[in-house]
Amino acid sequence: QQQVKQSPQSLIVQKGGISIINCAYENTAFDYFPWYQQFPGKGPALLIAIRPDVSEKKEGRFTISFNKSAKQFSLHIMDSQPGDSATYFCAASMNNRRNEKLTFGTGTRLTIIP
Amino acid sequence: DTAVSQTPKYLVTQMGNDKSIKCEQNLGHDTMYWYKQDSKKFLKIMFSYNNKELIINETVPNRFSPKSPDKAHLNLHINSLELGDSAVYFCASSQGTVVYGYTFGSGTRLTVV
Repeated sequence: QQQVKQSPQSLIVQKGGISIINCAYENTAFDYFPWYQQFPGKGPALLIAIRPDVSEKKEGRFTISFNKSAKQFSLHIMDSQPGDSATYFCAASMNNRRNEKLTFGTGTRLTIIP
Repeated sequence: DTAVSQTPKYLVTQMGNDKSIKCEQNLGHDTMYWYKQDSKKFLKIMFSYNNKELIINETVPNRFSPKSPDKAHLNLHINSLELGDSAVYFCASSQGTVVYGYTFGSGTRLTVV
């Protein structure tokens, strides 16, 4: 059972455009939602994260929008650059528990074209 | 300096063999993980250790056995390798809680032939 559903599977955006990746979760006990970025041949790296008590978090060109009632959150990349081309994973966890773990979405391969 | 290092980076082996993957972190983190990334890039947790104690053991075949000699090391031993074990295995570490982020290694690409 996929607890965190991510879409689209792949995305092509022109340089300077806005990239949007969406995720939906089922477990209302999740209380921490990070996004990870993975380049080929590398491990995922934390990009930005949000807690459900806020509806938006912005760090530079990256913004997470969070809709608690809909159980959805999304990543927006403004002014997308070729260097942003990577695979992006949303994730969720139940924080502050001894057996906490990150449950990842299925990933989105983002390609920024000139 | 590499924060989470895994060896080897590539591993090609025949079915039925036994192999090990080593992981070391120099971040002083107290929790380490093994994740498996399949051919479709799906990341799934296998194990986690906190201060050498096994915390999470997902539904992983008994052929997979993690070992943590100290909190800076978490190794993965796989017995009787099968074709379906082919994947990229990632080691990660964190300090106490996921909110500080996982630091992943660069992965070990295991190919079973």
